[in-house]
Amino acid sequence: KQEVTQIPAALSVPEGENLVLNCSFTDSAIYNLQWFRQDPGKGLTSLLLIQSSQREQTSGRLNASLDKSSGRSTLYIAASQPGDSATYLCARCEPSEKLVFGKGTKLTVNP
Amino acid sequence: SQTIHQWPATLVQPVGSPLSLECTVEGTSNPNLYWYRQAAGRGLQLLFYSVGIGQISSEVPQNLSASRPQDRQFILSSKKLLLSDSGFYLCAWSVVGNTEAFFGQGTRLTVV
Repeated sequence: KQEVTQIPAALSVPEGENLVLNCSFTDSAIYNLQWFRQDPGKGLTSLLLIQSSQREQTSGRLNASLDKSSGRSTLYIAASQPGDSATYLCARCEPSEKLVFGKGTKLTVNP
Repeated sequence: SQTIHQWPATLVQPVGSPLSLECTVEGTSNPNLYWYRQAAGRGLQLLFYSVGIGQISSEVPQNLSASRPQDRQFILSSKKLLLSDSGFYLCAWSVVGNTEAFFGQGTRLTVV
């Protein structure tokens, strides 16, 4: 069974801090990897998609990297803001075009 | 631009009642469509996915069924709800061969 693990489950940081969220998966033969943000009671917002041939993607203060050989992806958030508080989910995309999700990291950025 | 609509946003249903949740996508053709459930303290569980009209794959045995009567319409149903069907249901779509997925706003279902 292919699994996706996200560590830590929860993270609380002061505003302005740079932080890293981790995602690991058991099968390096992924199609691509996607990071999402979920606000309480809401749907998922796509943040970054990393194709299997790529090593990283950047959008504003967000940078996601992918290391297929080690089965890891990281989401780096620079200069965190209270508005970044949310649950962050990673999902590995299989060749069958299914998404397998981790349980997420709940981030709280304190003003 | 593409948009996804999912309704209702919240639903409270008694045990044993039927269920119908609808999801529609605009601005794209022949999308992959997905239904996920998110239970408290658990990750997103893929329930059904569809790569075309009438083509439904079920991921887990359960009390639910899905149908795709039109290219951009995906329906989640149950004939008789159970308490364990409570949860947050999310519909998603992706372009065939791309797999970048986009989600609806979800339906909070409470079975009482």
